[in-house]
Amino acid sequence: DAGITQSPRHKVTETGTPVTLRCHQTENHRYMYWYRQDPGHGLRLIHYSYGVKDTDKGEVSDGYSVSRSKTEDFLLTLESATSSQTSVYFCAISESKGSETQYFGPGTRLLVL
Amino acid sequence: QKEVEQNSGPLSVPEGAIASLNCTYSDRGSQSFFWYRQYSGKSPELIMSIYSNGDKEDGRFTAQLNKASQYVSLLIRDSQPSDSATYLCAVNTGRRALTFGSGTRLQVQP
Repeated sequence: DAGITQSPRHKVTETGTPVTLRCHQTENHRYMYWYRQDPGHGLRLIHYSYGVKDTDKGEVSDGYSVSRSKTEDFLLTLESATSSQTSVYFCAISESKGSETQYFGPGTRLLVL
Repeated sequence: QKEVEQNSGPLSVPEGAIASLNCTYSDRGSQSFFWYRQYSGKSPELIMSIYSNGDKEDGRFTAQLNKASQYVSLLIRDSQPSDSATYLCAVNTGRRALTFGSGTRLQVQP
């Protein structure tokens, strides 16, 4: 398995609270991604990073921010969680740009009440 | 029109049969194509990647790509109950990251 961990693995929070999800990799891969997965929608890209301090938006970035201060860590923050952000969040990494294979972390289940 | 389309299934096949999973994509400029398998409650794991027209075989799995028809498929020979999972087609359109289909759920009946 690729060396990717996500924390926390499960979280329940209330509407309006901030939430930060962490993705940590030991592969020294340049590219990191955050996806959310919802029934009927498959995996949708939230944000991605192509290097330390270099990030860009995906197709469903509203309400989310990211930071990458070290190669190994990519943080996803929900500034003020809403019920529509209840989802399973996956982090992925790839050695080079999106044309290459992406490896996924174990996921975080987030429930916003 | 979705960028990557898959039949949601479930696709039910008997053990030992060939399972055929299909995917169409809308962007003719797409260059890279991937099949991921996802067991319930788990993360996606890569099965196959294919970049050129034609077939690519790996064990019981064969990926087929037809860029003219914008079609990619995955064949699973000698299907086993352990193959029961959701299969995700992913396409790189050259923009940001992979674009995923919604997945096809495969059920292999013992």
